[in-house]
Amino acid sequence: DAMVIQNPRYQVTQFGKPVTLSCSQTLNHNVMYWYQQKSSQAPKLLFHYYDKDFNNEADTPDNFQSRRPNTSFCFLDIRSPGLGDAAMYLCATSPWPGQAQHFGDGTRLSIL
Amino acid sequence: EDKVVQSPLSLVVHEGDTVTLNCSYEVTNFRSLLWYKQEKKAPTFLFMLTSSGIEKKSGRLSSILDKKELFSILNITATQTGDSAVYLCAVEAGNQFYFGTGTSLTVIP
Repeated sequence: DAMVIQNPRYQVTQFGKPVTLSCSQTLNHNVMYWYQQKSSQAPKLLFHYYDKDFNNEADTPDNFQSRRPNTSFCFLDIRSPGLGDAAMYLCATSPWPGQAQHFGDGTRLSIL
Repeated sequence: EDKVVQSPLSLVVHEGDTVTLNCSYEVTNFRSLLWYKQEKKAPTFLFMLTSSGIEKKSGRLSSILDKKELFSILNITATQTGDSAVYLCAVEAGNQFYFGTGTSLTVIP
């Protein structure tokens, strides 16, 4: 089945140690999104790519960066994770901007 | 500031009850409103609404949008324990999505 796959499902890192989360899709969708979801809160959009066009949300911290080397893959890099970055990170895709998004199962990030 | 507000925040009902979840929004350049169901993992898509007054249905779930009054409702009839989840409303404005904090629904046998 076509799907959105996130790896790893659970990631533990140390305070200040860079970490990379990955997302791949077999849907051939043009748009990929990264969301941060903290406990009992709505998902918050960090970035999205429309093809290779990168869009950074105004309030996304500089500590967060993203790469999309090809249509199928997208990475979220956290350069120096702080305790406040512990959250579920959701990757989503959509065929075109403004269409319904398909989500991966998420990566739960813990910071020690 | 754009915002999406859902109510109630949480709801506990018995199996077989009918529930109505609300989503109001205040955004510029509205394009669509989406409903998602989130259980333990990622949200799964339910409905996308772009036009006022046209009901969308999927089994026991239905939803409608009022673009004049800026809200949407999600109805679930004959609820089942499997309907227990957080229901998220998201509004697309421009090319950005804004999520509400969700309504947590618990259906007890």
